[in-house]
Parts: sequence; structure tokens; C-alpha cells
Amino acid sequence: DAKTTQPPSMDCAEGRAANLPCNHSTISGNEYVYWYRQIHSQGPQYIIHGLKNNETNEMASLIITEDRKSSTLILPHATLRDTAVYYCIVLNYQGAQKLVFGQGTRLTINP
Amino acid sequence: EAQVTQNPRYLITVTGKKLTVTCSQNMNHEYMSWYRQDPGLGLRQIYYSMNVEVTDKGDVPEGYKVSRKEKRNFPLILESPSPNQTSLYFCASSRSRIGGTNEKLFFGSGTQLSVL
Repeated sequence: DAKTTQPPSMDCAEGRAANLPCNHSTISGNEYVYWYRQIHSQGPQYIIHGLKNNETNEMASLIITEDRKSSTLILPHATLRDTAVYYCIVLNYQGAQKLVFGQGTRLTINP
Repeated sequence: EAQVTQNPRYLITVTGKKLTVTCSQNMNHEYMSWYRQDPGLGLRQIYYSMNVEVTDKGDVPEGYKVSRKEKRNFPLILESPSPNQTSLYFCASSRSRIGGTNEKLFFGSGTQLSVL
């Protein structure tokens, strides 16, 4: 699976859009981009995933560049409860036996 | 409500005293897995199971056992716990092999284990 690179930390004001970048320059054509988050010591939570088209669900939007080498997770109106560590993970379309969690981005939403 | 349930939430024990952390899911998922989380090391997979009676080692299986006799349950067994197994443990499940086109992993709320 492709390696991902994320900034270690970010800050965002409450009510603003939080944009979390992820670099996956070695991604191959059959790999999906997944995003999970972990709020304090709770279990990680699935957010969204995509292959090459932009995706949106009730939690967030995922923008994947045309060359697929990077992506951005967008939380449109961040709240204090969005403070968490966000993980960008690349997975083969055939599936995998585990998620490989990197260090992620620690997002802090400030009032 | 669809969920992965772990018990207990907190556990303090002593070295060598056998313990079991239970995990149960109500989503009829085939795939289940255990992770441990340690500061600076992130989440690492201990064991996983693709279906009933099918288990395999993850990245850090030493000192742990698992069993999958029923689809819904996947207990983690520490036969002789040691202080280096002090950690935050998570159970997770998925309908089938994770990733792919649409398979997300559902996590339990965690078990904080302290081995003295």
C-alpha cells in the first residue's frame, strides 16, 4: 500500500472550514484513499473514502487531485467536537487485512 | 444500533494473571481484528480473523491469543500478561476484507489495560 504524508498538526477556528491535506504520491491506480479520525482515546471512526472523483457525505468532503497524488479532507463548518487526530490511509481496491495508521494530523478547533 | 462492544473499558491486573478482553459485534461481519495503541507507536494490529475459525497474526501477536468460535465474538486472551502489554486496545470489525470499494472498519470504544 502507498505511503501517506500528513502535517503533524493544524488549527482551525470554530465555524470555519478545516482543510486537511494528505500526500500520497506513490498511489497506484487500484488504490483508494480512506480517511478516519480518532477523538481523544476513542476508537477510530470512518469518515469518507474515494478513488478519483470528489466525494461528499454528511461528515465531510474529499477532494482528490487529478493525478491522484494528493487529497484534501474538508470539514465544512468545524465544531469543537471535530478536534481529533485525522488519518489518511491508502488501501488496495481488492481489500486488505489491516489498516496501517501513520501519525496522522492532530486537528484542534479553537473557539 | 450497529456497534462493536468491548469489555471491560478499564482493567488493572498483575503480571501473570490470565485475562480475557471480550469483543462482540452485531452487524454479522465476517472480518474482525484487534489493535493496540501506544504513545509514539500508533495503532498496530495484533490479530485478525477473516471468518469463523479463521484467524491470523498481525504485526504484534506475541503474548496474545484469540479465538473465533462464533461470528459475532472475537475475544483477546492474555495468558500471562506482562507490563509491556499495558496499552489501549481496540477491537474492530468489517463486513469483509477491509478497504476495497466500500468496506469500512468499525471500532469498539477501547479497553485501557494496565499490567502491574
